[in-house]
Amino acid sequence: GAVVSQHPSWVICKSGTSVKIECRSLDFQATTMFWYRQFPKQSLMLMATSNEGSKATYEQGVEKDKFLINHASLTLSTLTVTSAHPEDSSFYICGAPTGSSYNSPLHFGNGTRLTVT
Amino acid sequence: DQQVKQNSPSLSVQEGRISILNCDYTNSMFDYFLWYKKYPAEGPTFLISISSIKDKNEDGRFTVFLNKSAKHLSLHIVPSQPGDSAVYFCAASANYNDMRFGAGTRLTVKP
Repeated sequence: GAVVSQHPSWVICKSGTSVKIECRSLDFQATTMFWYRQFPKQSLMLMATSNEGSKATYEQGVEKDKFLINHASLTLSTLTVTSAHPEDSSFYICGAPTGSSYNSPLHFGNGTRLTVT
Repeated sequence: DQQVKQNSPSLSVQEGRISILNCDYTNSMFDYFLWYKKYPAEGPTFLISISSIKDKNEDGRFTVFLNKSAKHLSLHIVPSQPGDSAVYFCAASANYNDMRFGAGTRLTVKP
């Protein structure tokens, strides 16, 4: 089955520093990847859609300059949380569709637990 | 706004019995619906899906029912097994850019 690898699985950083999260599709090409954020006991909230070779599309209310997304290749998308603050502490998950049809499930990485102190 | 709602945060079922997880949605443009299963500290795992042209899809012990007029879908697991204990998310999509998730229901299957 399709495998999405996300790294790191957890990270602790100091307030004001930046953190990069990588998402790789291991056995398929992903022209599109989706970045979600989950707060405790809440839903996965779509933050942005990462498109290979073009700019990411951000959801309303998500700061583009704070959450930098780069889709460098067909197998790699990165999310950089810049100048992190404690309120950015959350569980971040990336997902990618494997099919060409829009009716195709997303396959997710195992997520990254970010804690900003 | 929450376009996909799972109103039951938790459900407890005895092993061997049926588990029924429910999900409601508000956006009539959604035409593709999915259920995901999630364990702690892991990403969601795709379970089963259904498109709006169907009202039922079955895969082994898992069956998803869709009632478009009521904007309601449900996941039936029968028979339930202790290994099914996890958080289940329903999701709905109109296109790649619009996959929305419910808040999840934690299922506990007791031996």
